[in-house]
Amino acid sequence: QVQLQESGPGLVQPSQTLSLTCTVSGGSISSGDYYWSWIRQHPGKGLEWIGWIYYSGSTYYNPSLKSRVTTSVDTSKSHFSLKLNSVTAADTAVYYCARSWAYSGRYYFDYWGQGTLVTVSS
Amino acid sequence: EIVLTQSPGTLSLSPGERATLSCRASQGVNSNYLAWYQQKPGQAPRLLIYGASIRAADIPDRFSGSGSRTDFTLTISRLEPEDFAVFYCQQYGSSPWTFGQGTKVEIQ
Repeated sequence: QVQLQESGPGLVQPSQTLSLTCTVSGGSISSGDYYWSWIRQHPGKGLEWIGWIYYSGSTYYNPSLKSRVTTSVDTSKSHFSLKLNSVTAADTAVYYCARSWAYSGRYYFDYWGQGTLVTVSS
Repeated sequence: EIVLTQSPGTLSLSPGERATLSCRASQGVNSNYLAWYQQKPGQAPRLLIYGASIRAADIPDRFSGSGSRTDFTLTISRLEPEDFAVFYCQQYGSSPWTFGQGTKVEIQ
């Protein structure tokens, strides 16, 4: 059974960089079959897809956040990471990591982490 | 990007009743690449349906999806107590992948 677990600071100061890591267990992050995504959910709101990373390091980001987002993958540690810079209160959200297949027609999210709340405040 | 609009915002029903949720896309969804998720408070979303009508693993057959192009529907044939939650649609046919704003199914 694949499991994903987010980790990182729950509080980030405005204008600083939000950094999160997602550790994958029960399956190989090095498999070429999957994209590894970040998704966020503002308090009481809907879901916003941030972007995906492939085991090779290839990425695709939502244009709405592209200028502030960087992701990376470390296959030796079976984890991938998110950095979001210049954060404001509008970036306060629950951040999820999730897995989708890397094949056309299968980009739905079949496994999710439990989510981690990140609050941007001084 | 494709904007997904879900309706109604809230659906108040009793256990045993039928729930019909709508998801309308601002433009055609390629090859009906649309998924539905269920989210309970404090939990991550759970995949219910993909490809507009294919149930994910271990999803009860009271959940069904239908529709094409711009109009999609999630139907719960007979609501069980554990079904009350928020439901989201997601399109993955065009980048960026987008979600609807959600429909809350609450106990009447």
